[in-house]
Amino acid sequence: AQSVTQLDSQVPVFEEAPVELRCNYSSSVSVYLFWYVQYPNQGLQLLLKYLSGSTLVESINGFEAEFNKSQTSFHLRKPSVHISDTAEYFCAVIWMDSSYKLIFGSGTRLLVRP
Amino acid sequence: EAQVTQNPRYLITVTGKKLTVTCSQNMNHEYMSWYRQDPGLGLRQIYYSMNVEVTDKGDVPEGYKVSRKEKRNFPLILESPSPNQTSLYFCASSLLFRGLSEKLFFGSGTQLSVL
Repeated sequence: AQSVTQLDSQVPVFEEAPVELRCNYSSSVSVYLFWYVQYPNQGLQLLLKYLSGSTLVESINGFEAEFNKSQTSFHLRKPSVHISDTAEYFCAVIWMDSSYKLIFGSGTRLLVRP
Repeated sequence: EAQVTQNPRYLITVTGKKLTVTCSQNMNHEYMSWYRQDPGLGLRQIYYSMNVEVTDKGDVPEGYKVSRKEKRNFPLILESPSPNQTSLYFCASSLLFRGLSEKLFFGSGTQLSVL
């Protein structure tokens, strides 16, 4: 069965430190990959996505993610986090088979401390 | 402003008392979907709709109903709520053409507690 794995349920980090949030998915067939962010008491917002082309994608607020087909991963990174980055981050995948279904990971709570 | 509006924001009810959570979008999106969010489980899809009068089950449809009589509205109905339906619920929408590969627009959520 198709699945999306975010092994870290919570990642505490100090402000201005680098961070990596991990995401792996179950199959190496063609996929679309997404990271959504959920700030406290809000709905999810799209942070960045990979559809095709360059395997490194960036968001407007300094996050980046790299598609690694051989490792079926799409880890999210930021070189220097801010307090305002505290949120829950969800990896999501669409498998380009007949189902065309979007499946979310279980989420990683990023907690940035001063 | 483009948005997905859910109501109510918070709801406390008792077992067996029918309730409806409303969802409305003003973007003329064909695709609408309901998710529930539970700690450690992420978002799981309950039902989705590709257009008016077209609905399909997601991963966890048991105990829920939906309807899509108008393009903009997609209410979630719990005919006989049970405590295991206590959860945070999100409605989402997108364009159908390239929709999911663009992005989903989410509502602010409805926190439901069933006592």
